[in-house]
Parts: sequence; structure tokens; C-alpha cells
Amino acid sequence: KAGVTQTPRYLIKTRGQQVTLSCSPISGHRSVSWYQQTPGQGLQFLFEYFSETQRNKGNFPGRFSGRQFSNSRSEMNVSTLELGDSALYLCASSLRPGGNRANEKLFFGSGTQLSVL
Amino acid sequence: KQEVTQIPAALSVPEGENLVLNCSFTDSAIYNLQWFRQDPGKGLTSLLLIQSSQREQTSGRLNASLDKSSGRSTLYIAASQPGDSATYLCAVMDSNYQLIWGAGTKLIIKP
Repeated sequence: KAGVTQTPRYLIKTRGQQVTLSCSPISGHRSVSWYQQTPGQGLQFLFEYFSETQRNKGNFPGRFSGRQFSNSRSEMNVSTLELGDSALYLCASSLRPGGNRANEKLFFGSGTQLSVL
Repeated sequence: KQEVTQIPAALSVPEGENLVLNCSFTDSAIYNLQWFRQDPGKGLTSLLLIQSSQREQTSGRLNASLDKSSGRSTLYIAASQPGDSATYLCAVMDSNYQLIWGAGTKLIIKP
């Protein structure tokens, strides 16, 4: 069974540009969540999608957005890039067992390393 | 606001030793606590998940405990091996179903 796939693996952009990152979850997983990891702030939750609907959102500006498709694949978009957006962006998928989120195990992709120059 | 702290930030021990990594959190209203490992340039691998109603979980040489009332968790690694070298992260799922992360402990096992 294939794991969580994130593309591209590395990305270099300049300030002001926008970027789209992709995440394909494990087959059968319907929940996808996104995280930003930086040396200064560590790991921070961005947002979560389940059944094509955003279910949860972290404390990030509106420049960060995402969506989920009917096949559970997800994309996140960052517009008007800033230097501080340089980070490793991680995607995780889960089976989302009915109702019991306390037992929800996450499976992570290898991430997209974004550098903003 | 939930805050998660991991001590120590880095640890270097000889191969074969047993070791303990610590994680503390400020708000006991959690759904679970999870331990992950991260290898350089890679994503995270889930190690153990302890639901708020549980006290510990074990997987092979790993044992994690949870004391929700005191806001503490420990990850015990028995008979450490060089392959255990990685950064270990703990995270709690808060009342909003969001994972709040610690900064991690970088572990080096010397052969």
C-alpha cells in the first residue's frame, strides 16, 4: 500500500509569487491535514480537510488556503509569498474512524521543502 | 492556550543504554498524546498514541506513559540502538481536535 505522497519535494520561489503543493493520501484515507515546520516555530497546524470540507483551521493568515478533491487528494496554496513562509510543509492522512478521533493515527508524507528568496 | 514542552532538547547516549524522553503540557483537556520520530529531511512516523483515558502504550522497545493530571508523558526506549537516532516529537490533540506540538528532542545513539 502506497504511503502519503507529497509533490513537489523541493520548491524555490521568490517573494510575491504564489505556490501550490499537492498531497495524495493513503488509499482509503479520507482526512488530510497540513502542517508547517520551521526551525523557529516548530510544527504548527495549518488546516484539515475531510470529505472535501475544511473541518479545522489553525492560526494562519488568509494567504494560506487549501482544498480537497473527491478522491481525497488535497492541495494547499500560499499566495503573495513572504520570506517567513520558507518551511517544510507536511501533509498527513488518516482513516478517520467513525466518531472516535481520540484514536486517530496520522500517516505523514515526506514533505515539501519551500524556500522563498 | 495549550503549550507542549520537551526536555531535553538534545541527548547523546552510548548504544545499549535505556533512556527516557520527557514531554509536558499545560492543559489537561486533551483527547490523546502522540509520540513521533522524524529522520533528517523526512516526514514523521507515528510511534505511540495514548488516548486520554489510558495510562500507557507499548510497542517493541518503546513504552510511553501518560499522567494527564500532572500534564506529563514519558517515552522510554530500552536497549537503544544507533538506528534510534532521530528527533522525537510529542503532540497533544487539544479540545479543538488540533495537534499541538513540542519542539522535539534530538537523540543521538553512539555506536
